[in-house]
Amino acid sequence: AQKVTQAQTEISVVEKEDVTLDCVYETRDTTYYLFWYKQPPSGELVFLIRRNSFDEQNEISGRYSWNFQKSTSSFNFTITASQVVDSAVYFCALSEYDGANNLFFGTGTRLTVIP
Amino acid sequence: DVKVTQSSRYLVKRTGEKVFLECVQDMDHENMFWYRQDPGLGLRLIYFSYDVKMKEKGDIPEGYSVSREKKERFSLILESASTNQTSMYLCASSLGGYSSYNEQFFGPGTRLTVL
Repeated sequence: AQKVTQAQTEISVVEKEDVTLDCVYETRDTTYYLFWYKQPPSGELVFLIRRNSFDEQNEISGRYSWNFQKSTSSFNFTITASQVVDSAVYFCALSEYDGANNLFFGTGTRLTVIP
Repeated sequence: DVKVTQSSRYLVKRTGEKVFLECVQDMDHENMFWYRQDPGLGLRLIYFSYDVKMKEKGDIPEGYSVSREKKERFSLILESASTNQTSMYLCASSLGGYSSYNEQFFGPGTRLTVL
């Protein structure tokens, strides 16, 4: 069965610090997709990134970077030089290759960036 | 930009009332989803729909039903609201086709309180 674990419930950092949000997943499928979403205080989840199971290249987008390691079933998210606007709940999610487009979400990590 | 709107941001109902939560998307997406979000549990899928008049149960369908009479609109119905249905309800949509690749676009959520 599929499962997504975000062991960090809450993290607080001081502005400009780097922070890594952990995501560990379980699936029996060999083809799957991993996602990160951000939920700011306004409530609306915002899509950040998608990665398929055959693409283990790390990705960097500005201050955001993602590290995908199939060997450890992890898809971690790092924010460099954090800013107050990064304060949000971050969700990792898994979609298996069954065409259903259903997302299995982790429980989320609440990040607070202190000015 | 995709826009997913939900009829209410906040809703207060009494136990036993019939409750309708409405969701509308404006990007001609085939797939639509209803989740509930609870602290420590992340997002859990209630129902989803691949097409007009089609619906599939998610992980926690008990106590809920849905209706999709038009492509752009997906309604969640609580036939007889109970206090354990107090939660944040999130609607999402995505492109159709048999693909687990597509990201979902979320509405702002409805925070429902059942007294």
